[in-house]
Amino acid sequence: DSGVTQTPKHLITATGQRVTLRCSPRSGDLSVYWYQQSLDQGLQFLIQYYNGEERAKGNILERFSAQQFPDLHSELNLSSLELGDSALYFCASSVGWHTEAFFGQGTRLTVV
Amino acid sequence: ILNVEQSPQSLHVQEGDSTNFTCSFPSSNFYALHWYRWETAKSPEALFVMTLNGDEKKKGRISATLNTKEGYSYLYIKGSQPEDSATYLCAPLRGSGGYQKVTFGTGTKLQVIP
Repeated sequence: DSGVTQTPKHLITATGQRVTLRCSPRSGDLSVYWYQQSLDQGLQFLIQYYNGEERAKGNILERFSAQQFPDLHSELNLSSLELGDSALYFCASSVGWHTEAFFGQGTRLTVV
Repeated sequence: ILNVEQSPQSLHVQEGDSTNFTCSFPSSNFYALHWYRWETAKSPEALFVMTLNGDEKKKGRISATLNTKEGYSYLYIKGSQPEDSATYLCAPLRGSGGYQKVTFGTGTKLQVIP
């Protein structure tokens, strides 16, 4: 157990809908990262927050947004969902933005 | 180097053999490099974070070196065991001014044959 908690574990929703994925980082970690793993692609970095502020942005679609709250948990919002958004979404946390990151178990999103 | 490249893409070795993989990345605006081990159906597990040119890190039978000037890192596994079978990912952080971008390589898939 890495100490990073992601909810829900599985999510099935219809195209056009909006979902929110939640991540609770390890105690003491200030940095949260979001990643997407699609069936036909490797791990893609989406976005990173450090102590509530956005620190890095990767290949995140405009339909997706994220935030990190004062208690340091983070949410990834995915809207106007398309079939191609079906993927495993990982959250990771670390103490700083250049230190060892620990991954959660992931949220499996299926868009039907 | 424009992108993050890992070689080989896959590798089969006999139990007890030593092996190594390469991660190549753009050397400009380098900040740090992460190595991860990713077993099938599990989450990635952090192995090393490397920041300085010439860095060498070791964890058990696994070690890594870093050359930031030429943009490459090697991961070595000594005396491979079946439990080492996994995909090994490198992820350089590049950027400046407190804003970095993480790019993952496609990984090297290692299969250790008993």
